[in-house]
Amino acid sequence: AQSVAQPEDQVNVAEGNPLTVKCTYSVSGNPYLFWYVQYPNRGLQFLLKYITGDNLVKGSYGFEAEFNKSQTSFHLKKPSALVSDSALYFCAVRDPMNTGFQKLVFGTGTRLLVSP
Amino acid sequence: DAGITQSPRHKVTETGTPVTLRCHQTENHRYMYWYRQDPGHGLRLIHYSYGVKDTDKGEVSDGYSVSRSKTEDFLLTLESATSSQTSVYFCAIRSGTDTGELFFGEGSRLTVL
Repeated sequence: AQSVAQPEDQVNVAEGNPLTVKCTYSVSGNPYLFWYVQYPNRGLQFLLKYITGDNLVKGSYGFEAEFNKSQTSFHLKKPSALVSDSALYFCAVRDPMNTGFQKLVFGTGTRLLVSP
Repeated sequence: DAGITQSPRHKVTETGTPVTLRCHQTENHRYMYWYRQDPGHGLRLIHYSYGVKDTDKGEVSDGYSVSRSKTEDFLLTLESATSSQTSVYFCAIRSGTDTGELFFGEGSRLTVL
């Protein structure tokens, strides 16, 4: 069964500095990987996905994520953080090789706090 | 905007009462999902639907039932609410692409006293 781990409950970064939110995964085959962001009292918003191809994928709001198969990681990154990036971030994985229902499994979330 | 509306957005109820949450979509998507979000657990799948009258259980389905009589509506029912069902409930639809990313509603916050 697939699983996702987000090892940090919270990440603190100063505005203007680069940020990284970590995610590792476990699937039996090649994964489909996703990042979502949740602002207070809102639903989750899709940020980006990795399916195949280039290991660096770009998404909304200047975010990008790097897929590393050998380390089974899919870390979310941004070169220069904004205060408005402060939110809860979720990594998710789907195993497209599952013959049954291909559910999306979410990590427990990482709270990003960007200080002015 | 993914065209998903959840109602009610907030509800307070008492233990033992029935509760129904509604998810309405305007996108005509086949797959719909109900998740609950709790601190330390992320999002956990309660039930999902893959078409009208076609539903199945997720990982935390005990105490919940669902119905889908029309493509656009997916109802989540708590037959007899318990305090452990206090949570934020999210409905989601699956995109029509092969990669199947989900798009979420704004959530329904349920408090069971």
